[in-house]
Amino acid sequence: EAQVTQNPRYLITVTGKKLTVTCSQNMNHEYMSWYRQDPGLGLRQIYYSMNVEVTDKGDVPEGYKVSRKEKRNFPLILESPSPNQTSLYFCASSLILGELFFGEGSRLTVL
Amino acid sequence: KQEVTQIPAALSVPEGENLVLNCSFTDSAIYNLQWFRQDPGKGLTSLLLIQSSQREQTSGRLNASLDKSSGRSTLYIAASQPGDSATYLCASESTDKLIFGTGTRLQVFP
Repeated sequence: EAQVTQNPRYLITVTGKKLTVTCSQNMNHEYMSWYRQDPGLGLRQIYYSMNVEVTDKGDVPEGYKVSRKEKRNFPLILESPSPNQTSLYFCASSLILGELFFGEGSRLTVL
Repeated sequence: KQEVTQIPAALSVPEGENLVLNCSFTDSAIYNLQWFRQDPGKGLTSLLLIQSSQREQTSGRLNASLDKSSGRSTLYIAASQPGDSATYLCASESTDKLIFGTGTRLQVFP
């Protein structure tokens, strides 16, 4: 089954404790992206990647890192999480300029 | 910078009605426009993708149109059903970036 898988789905952590949200897709997509969704602000892009070893900043990259060492994986790293990073995070993938497939989301709470 | 706006923010209709959701964007130099559906607490599901060279796309009871010159797209839902209740988002893609509208929350009541 074609899918984008994110883990963990739910996480509560404390300020400053490094965490990684994994994202994996099985559709051989070149393009992968991370978004955060906040009430009243909609979906905002954090980082995206057009292919392996190619990553670019989206609209809200501060406080986040990503890597694209393999085509299927695009982890999101929060080196020192802060409460303002409490949000619902989505990973997505597509062929270049194609239909975008989303993961189920990861709800992060930073205390 | 591209801005995407969706009106109305919320809509409540009785079952069976045909309805139109609106999406407007400020920069007409887009590659494509996509419509998504999001159920509460869930990820987004792609409904329709319209390439910049196309005028419309259809899937079942859904029809999406694109008018680049006026910066508008509409999603038409025919014979609405309670199962159509969800938030509908549009997103325009240009120069590697996908910009989302804030969505229209649709409720279809029996």
